[in-house]
Amino acid sequence: DTEVTQTPKHLVMGMTNKKSLKCEQHMGHRAMYWYKQKAKKPPELMFVYSYEKLSINESVPSRFSPECPNSSLLNLHLHALQPEDSALYLCASSQEGGQNYEQYFGPGTRLTVT
Amino acid sequence: SQQGEEDPQALSIQEGENATMNCSYKTSINNLQWYRQNSGRGLVHLILIRSNEREKHSGRLRVTLDTSKKSSSLLITASRAADTASYFCATGNTGGFKTIFGAGTRLFVKA
Repeated sequence: DTEVTQTPKHLVMGMTNKKSLKCEQHMGHRAMYWYKQKAKKPPELMFVYSYEKLSINESVPSRFSPECPNSSLLNLHLHALQPEDSALYLCASSQEGGQNYEQYFGPGTRLTVT
Repeated sequence: SQQGEEDPQALSIQEGENATMNCSYKTSINNLQWYRQNSGRGLVHLILIRSNEREKHSGRLRVTLDTSKKSSSLLITASRAADTASYFCATGNTGGFKTIFGAGTRLFVKA
């Protein structure tokens, strides 16, 4: 199984809502990533988990809260988002962290904040 | 600042023609990777070239790397309509976990 799954595919939420994005992989990968991508722009790294520990937080606002419950799951908890947070949120995983390993991406969650 | 910059930003060609995309980066790298993204979908890894390699092939893809010029190119030969996508180069800080994607080239292949 070389698939990374993400749920939901689409999410519309108000600025006062709390929601969560989920990501799952069963490839035994030990690194997992969250990216944010705006239209016609490249993905921007948000968080990196390595062996279930947060390794990188790219100065992401606290209204985004990542969680790695186990080596196969990655969540992104959302609270009090702003309209400018509307974007495609991509999850990825790799065998290990670092640039020597290819990343496998999920199809993304398209988030709209109203 | 962005590690990788790509040109052209957009490229439109006829089916059967070759497509060349370029990527420049700023700091030392262990390797450089190329990814493809179909419209609004996840990225798919195409090829990884290590810093001690100059050229690598995979099917219709040919990637070159010139570390002295801090640049790489991706050539897609005999393009097909299904190659229509955005193509990104990706680099990272040596020994680190951070991946930085270039601005990307949007390729449109007309049937």
